[in-house]
Amino acid sequence: GEDVEQSLFLSVREGDSSVINCTYTDSSSTYLYWYKQEPGAGLQLLTYIFSNMDMKQDQRLTVLLNKKDKHLSLRIADTQTGDSAIYFCADQRGGADGLTFGKGTHLIIQP
Amino acid sequence: DAGVIQSPRHEVTEMGQEVTLRCKPISGHDYLFWYRQTMMRGLELLIYFNNNVPIDDSGMPEDRFSAKMPNASFSTLKIQPSEPRDSAVYFCASSDSGTGNEKLFFGSGTQLSVL
Repeated sequence: GEDVEQSLFLSVREGDSSVINCTYTDSSSTYLYWYKQEPGAGLQLLTYIFSNMDMKQDQRLTVLLNKKDKHLSLRIADTQTGDSAIYFCADQRGGADGLTFGKGTHLIIQP
Repeated sequence: DAGVIQSPRHEVTEMGQEVTLRCKPISGHDYLFWYRQTMMRGLELLIYFNNNVPIDDSGMPEDRFSAKMPNASFSTLKIQPSEPRDSAVYFCASSDSGTGNEKLFFGSGTQLSVL
């Protein structure tokens, strides 16, 4: 199976909260990241969390980490049309360089 | 800083031709990564460099692919000969190991179409 897994699509109404989920398999992961990719653009770092934390909040973004279950989530409060993008979860493994990415979740905003 | 700069933005070529993709990392970053993105396989790490030295090229699909980093401010990814299945978006990313975490900064990518 894949090392980092995400659902491919999520559809939410404008103004609602979006919750994008991710699971990973490597217990040595030190940092976990969320990236955003808009059409025709590269990946942009949104936020990241150290593996010994369980929550991080940054304005409309909340990251929750359950290290026991190897589950990471990104909550976007008050979702706007500008949040429409692909969101990638990635982990940094202990002793390794670079990041391992999930396949990305397409966030679709309904008016 | 202008960020990671890639060129060209788009490349259309015919099967069998040589393709060269270029990348300028963020000044001061000591790691450079080449990724390939397709719908089927998502983001795949092809190769990465540390201080201009290739560290891991196990993701390079075949001998047709090669990458160089002659200095700290420039890297190339070459495909020779190109094939239609090489069509993808190729991203370059750089990071600074001094921060203790791998915050990658990505370029805008090169959309490659091999006909």
